[in-house]
Amino acid sequence: AQTVTQSQPEMSVQEAETVTLSCTYDTSESNYYLFWYKQPPSRQMILVIRQEAYKQQNATENRFSVNFQKAAKSFSLKISDSQLGDTAMYFCAFMKPDLPGNTPLVFGKGTRLSVIA
Amino acid sequence: GAVVSQHPSWVICKSGTSVKIECRSLDFQATTMFWYRQFPKQSLMLMATSNEGSKATYEQGVEKDKFLINHASLTLSTLTVTSAHPEDSSFYICSARADSTYEQYFGPGTRLTVT
Repeated sequence: AQTVTQSQPEMSVQEAETVTLSCTYDTSESNYYLFWYKQPPSRQMILVIRQEAYKQQNATENRFSVNFQKAAKSFSLKISDSQLGDTAMYFCAFMKPDLPGNTPLVFGKGTRLSVIA
Repeated sequence: GAVVSQHPSWVICKSGTSVKIECRSLDFQATTMFWYRQFPKQSLMLMATSNEGSKATYEQGVEKDKFLINHASLTLSTLTVTSAHPEDSSFYICSARADSTYEQYFGPGTRLTVT
């Protein structure tokens, strides 16, 4: 079974600074998807960024980028120019696409990020 | 992006009663829907996976007779908490996935309080 580990329960960053959230995973699969989700105080889950394992290029979405190290099974999220609205719980998630549409996401325990003014 | 709604957003019920939570995909057909439970400051715990027109697949430790899931159409899944008890109080989140994609869209969640 796949597992996702987020070793930082809580982190804080000054507004406009850069912060990196860590995520490691364990799998024997060669093809899979990785995601970072954000859950703000409203508790609505929001997709931040996704990465296909077969792609070597790291995904980027505006201020959010990942460092995907497949051999090390590491998938960290970098938030640049942090904003107060980035304050949220961040979840790393893994998905095995064996049966498209049917495979659930496996979530890590989350990292609570606080952006300080 | 695709929108998933949940109703109600919060509900308070008395112990022993049943509560139904609806999850709808508003602008796409959801072949698969997932139900999660989330305790305060914790991660999402998968309860069950449901496919339209077939029985849901429950995760180990989740009582299927207590948490009834019906995925009657490609846009609607319901979770019924039967004979609710205070320990069932939690935040319930549904998500939906369109056919042949890996994109999963989440509803806004339902806060259930059982008194």
